[in-house]
Amino acid sequence: GAVVSQHPSWVICKSGTSVKIECRSLDFQATTMFWYRQFPKQSLMLMATSNEGSKATYEQGVEKDKFLINHASLTLSTLTVTSAHPEDSSFYICSARTSGGDTDTQYFGPGTRLTVL
Amino acid sequence: QKEVEQDPGPLSVPEGAIVSLNCTYSNSAFQYFMWYRQYSRKGPELLMYTYSSGNKEDGRFTAQVDKSSKYISLFIRDSQPSDSATYLCAMSTMGGFKTIFGAGTRLFVKA
Repeated sequence: GAVVSQHPSWVICKSGTSVKIECRSLDFQATTMFWYRQFPKQSLMLMATSNEGSKATYEQGVEKDKFLINHASLTLSTLTVTSAHPEDSSFYICSARTSGGDTDTQYFGPGTRLTVL
Repeated sequence: QKEVEQDPGPLSVPEGAIVSLNCTYSNSAFQYFMWYRQYSRKGPELLMYTYSSGNKEDGRFTAQVDKSSKYISLFIRDSQPSDSATYLCAMSTMGGFKTIFGAGTRLFVKA
């Protein structure tokens, strides 16, 4: 199946610093990439949707100035958590969508665990 | 009413049991149906993918889609402790912008 990588897999940072998370589709070009956030024992919460070369679409309640998304190419999207605070500590997961014909599915990255001290 | 309903469980079964996981949905335009498995602290892994209705089998896993009832199922035969995970259903429309996920069902298979 298709492979999506995320880097880093975990990060610990001090409050007030910014953290960048990369998401790459390794063996396919993604029409769309998604960023999710997941708290312990809870389901995925969609944060934003990004298409290559255009601005990301953020879900209601997600601060676009705090969670900066850049979709530089069909295989790379980045999420930057700016001025991180302890309440931003969470598991961040990206996914890449591939579609066409009778295919339309998302492949997820392994996730990035962010801990803000 | 949520677009996709999934019982969060937890569901606990003995090893070797047949597991049935289900989701119901309200949007009749959904055409693509997926099941993902997520282990603790890992990203979801695509297990099964079905386009439109019918059944699909892959090893111990069988996915069923009943569009008339707006109901999808995932069956796991001969369940193993390694199947213990959260299972998420997901679906989308043709040309749709988003994939809608269920809340996930936590499954525990006891040895």
